[in-house]
Amino acid sequence: KQEVTQIPAALSVPEGENLVLNCSFTDSAIYNLQWFRQDPGKGLTSLLLIQSSQREQTSGRLNASLDKSSGRSTLYIAASQPGDSATYLCAGRPLTGTASKLTFGTGTRLQVTL
Amino acid sequence: GAGVSQSPRYKVTKRGQDVALRCDPISGHVSLYWYRQALGQGPEFLTYFNYEAQQDKSGLPNDRFSAERPEGSISTLTIQRTEQRDSAMYRCASSGDTGEQYFGPGTRLTVT
Repeated sequence: KQEVTQIPAALSVPEGENLVLNCSFTDSAIYNLQWFRQDPGKGLTSLLLIQSSQREQTSGRLNASLDKSSGRSTLYIAASQPGDSATYLCAGRPLTGTASKLTFGTGTRLQVTL
Repeated sequence: GAGVSQSPRYKVTKRGQDVALRCDPISGHVSLYWYRQALGQGPEFLTYFNYEAQQDKSGLPNDRFSAERPEGSISTLTIQRTEQRDSAMYRCASSGDTGEQYFGPGTRLTVT
């Protein structure tokens, strides 16, 4: 059974810092990977999708990479802002079986302080 | 355009009652997914549809849970004889050609 670990579980940084969130899968046979943001009491917002043929994806201050050989992904947030405070979840689609269902990590809770 | 919508947003029901949760996917998205999320955890897969066909229901906890998508658009997740352990956030997602999944706001189910 695929398990996804996100490190750290929680992180507090001052505004302006660059930071890295980590995600690792027990089964590295991942088809693609999505990073989501979840605000308290709200739904999940898709941030980035790394397709099977890609190694990384960028959107604004966010950059996500995927190393399929090791089953690890990182989300880099540049010049963090208080509005970035949220829980960040990574989720992977398996290479085999039901290739569409996502397996999620438990998330990294980020707080960016003034 | 409109995103994924779910109704009701909140549902409180008594143990033993049946509930039906609705999901309206993004227009044109052929794939639809149901997940369940406990507090402090990531969503867990329940079931998946491609058009009207239920492709995978391996995540449904037991036979009290069922889902349908009869016309390949709106989907309903039904829980029969609800139990307190069914209390959770139920989330629906849909995806199109890219496979990127877009989530609705969820239905918070509380079984008393």
